[in-house]
Amino acid sequence: ELKVEQNPLFLSMQEGKNYTIYCNYSTTSDRLYWYRQDPGKSLESLFVLLSNGAVKQEGRLMASLDTKARLSTLHITAAVHDLSATYFCAVDPNSGYALNFGKGTSLLVTP
Amino acid sequence: GAVVSQHPSRVICKSGTSVKIECRSLDFQATTMFWYRQFPKQSLMLMATSNEGSKATYEQGVEKDKFLINHASLTLSTLTVTSAHPEDSSFYICSAEQNEKLFFGSGTQLSVL
Repeated sequence: ELKVEQNPLFLSMQEGKNYTIYCNYSTTSDRLYWYRQDPGKSLESLFVLLSNGAVKQEGRLMASLDTKARLSTLHITAAVHDLSATYFCAVDPNSGYALNFGKGTSLLVTP
Repeated sequence: GAVVSQHPSRVICKSGTSVKIECRSLDFQATTMFWYRQFPKQSLMLMATSNEGSKATYEQGVEKDKFLINHASLTLSTLTVTSAHPEDSSFYICSAEQNEKLFFGSGTQLSVL
């Protein structure tokens, strides 16, 4: 059974600080996705990582993928309140776009 | 960009009634769509893969007779929750792929009283 484990599940951080969210998965996967979800809303796509060593950055968020370690990270730089949301990683184990999601990391950025 | 439209965004129904949720690909054809369920403060769980012109593929533990999926055209998949009960109350989200990109619908919040 595929497992996708995120940690931490809850994260409270001050504005201006840096932090990393980790996503471990238990089987090979061609694609690793990161999504943001605001309360009551659907998913907003952040990153799609397709190969070992892939690194993508958008604003204060940077995602990386190590397929050998089956690990992806989402790094937050100089957090701002607007980043408060729940972040999910997801893998596509069968390359068919049916995703297995992690439990999500609920991020709260405080002044 | 491609858009996946989901309707309704919110529905409240009485226990025992059936509810239909629609998922449309607005400017592309989708032979496959995916249905997920999300309970409050939990992750998304894949329920089923909807295949145009054929039967849906359900994940283990999902009752196919309760969650009826129809994918009658290349732009529309529907999920019908039959004889809904309060434990079916959840956020339902669909997705579709185009050109190796995934697009998610806006979700449907179902509340069963």
